[in-house]
Amino acid sequence: QQQVKQSPQSLIVQKGGISIINCAYENTAFDYFPWYQQFPGKGPALLIAIRPDVSEKKEGRFTISFNKSAKQFSLHIMDSQPGDSATYFCAASISRGGSNYKLTFGKGTLLTVNP
Amino acid sequence: DTEVTQTPKHLVMGMTNKKSLKCEQHMGHRAMYWYKQKAKKPPELMFVYSYEKLSINESVPSRFSPECPNSSLLNLHLHALQPEDSALYLCASSQAASYNYGYTFGSGTRLTVV
Repeated sequence: QQQVKQSPQSLIVQKGGISIINCAYENTAFDYFPWYQQFPGKGPALLIAIRPDVSEKKEGRFTISFNKSAKQFSLHIMDSQPGDSATYFCAASISRGGSNYKLTFGKGTLLTVNP
Repeated sequence: DTEVTQTPKHLVMGMTNKKSLKCEQHMGHRAMYWYKQKAKKPPELMFVYSYEKLSINESVPSRFSPECPNSSLLNLHLHALQPEDSALYLCASSQAASYNYGYTFGSGTRLTVV
């Protein structure tokens, strides 16, 4: 019930292309869905996040699409750049009614953007 | 200050050593976390502190001992570790009761147990 499934495991995209990473979850109690970007030797950095009452959220070249009925959400990176090459993790949590919350992470996607 | 600072960045320790990892944040976050991350794997939650009290322990072996001396500091005391404990140890913090802010992670401590 706590699992978040992420695909693909790795992705190679040409510069200027669109990168798409997908995640699916089972626990309908999840109410917060962030995406993290992690470069080698660094900690994960929050990229963008969405709540289930919104179907899409866009920040610059990064867009989250959320499908509550299908229990799926995805990250789209438009005009992908070599500097976007990193590991991307989707995550989900239950954040209601508490001052802290546990993030359940997907297994990660290694994105390589070729110049 | 919007950072979580972890020290040391790298640590090599023998199986009989005692060492400590330190984490500091000055964002006023009242929840702090320890995660363990193996290569090419997602972070795995170890401990959660909320308002300086331990609220979640994910069945972590007792050779890992967390401590939260105040709202800005989080320590992880290490003793009698095993080589399989070698990993990147990440500290994170979050705004209390406000998921809009998400976690802020530190850059981690790369631990090698020899």
